Amino acid sequence: NAGVTQTPKFRVLKTGQSMTLLCAQDMNHEYMYWYRQDPGMGLRLIHYSVGEGTTAKGEVPDGYNVSRLKKQNFLLGLESAAPSQTSVYFCASSYMGQDYEQYFGPGTRLTVT
Amino acid sequence: GENVEQHPSTLSVQEGDSAVIKCTYSDSASNYFPWYKQELGKRPQLIIDIRSNVGEKKDQRIAVTLNKTAKHFSLHITETQPEDSAVYFCAAILPGSYNTDKLIFGTGTRLQVFP
Repeated sequence: NAGVTQTPKFRVLKTGQSMTLLCAQDMNHEYMYWYRQDPGMGLRLIHYSVGEGTTAKGEVPDGYNVSRLKKQNFLLGLESAAPSQTSVYFCASSYMGQDYEQYFGPGTRLTVT
Repeated sequence: GENVEQHPSTLSVQEGDSAVIKCTYSDSASNYFPWYKQELGKRPQLIIDIRSNVGEKKDQRIAVTLNKTAKHFSLHITETQPEDSAVYFCAAILPGSYNTDKLIFGTGTRLQVFP
């Protein structure tokens, strides 16, 4: 089992460009999450999904969109990147609700210039 | 909404000593409190968690205590080893209506264990 994987590992964008981060899990988990990690601020929830075809806003959703067309995939989109979105992005999944262990992906380091 | 405060932000201990990290939360309805460890350049991984129906949980050298009245919980690491060096995050559930619970993380504690 690969667990949780993320694509790409690194990316540099110019302000205003768009991109999509892909997260995939092979554990048949219902819940999937996108976090951003900034120095001194811990992990902040961007969006999450409680099952295929569902999405919901987290703590810091502005500037991001998500889709969960297939149970195993959770996509994070940036329509018009801003320097404030420079961060490390982690995807995670859990078997059921947020009171279950979350399994994290390796992270994507995004720089917006 | 839920607010999780974590202290200290950095902690240095000698190998073999104990380390304690403390967190407080604001929502009295919170009922799940995990701790995640993140080694440098790696992904966070769950090391222990506690639910609100118990006051303490142990797993070998690590333990977590929960004081619901005071709304704080702590991570205790005994007999620290260099491989315990990492950033530790506490978290607490922000309860919501059906399927809208959110896990809120603290800002992390960087633990350094010196040989």
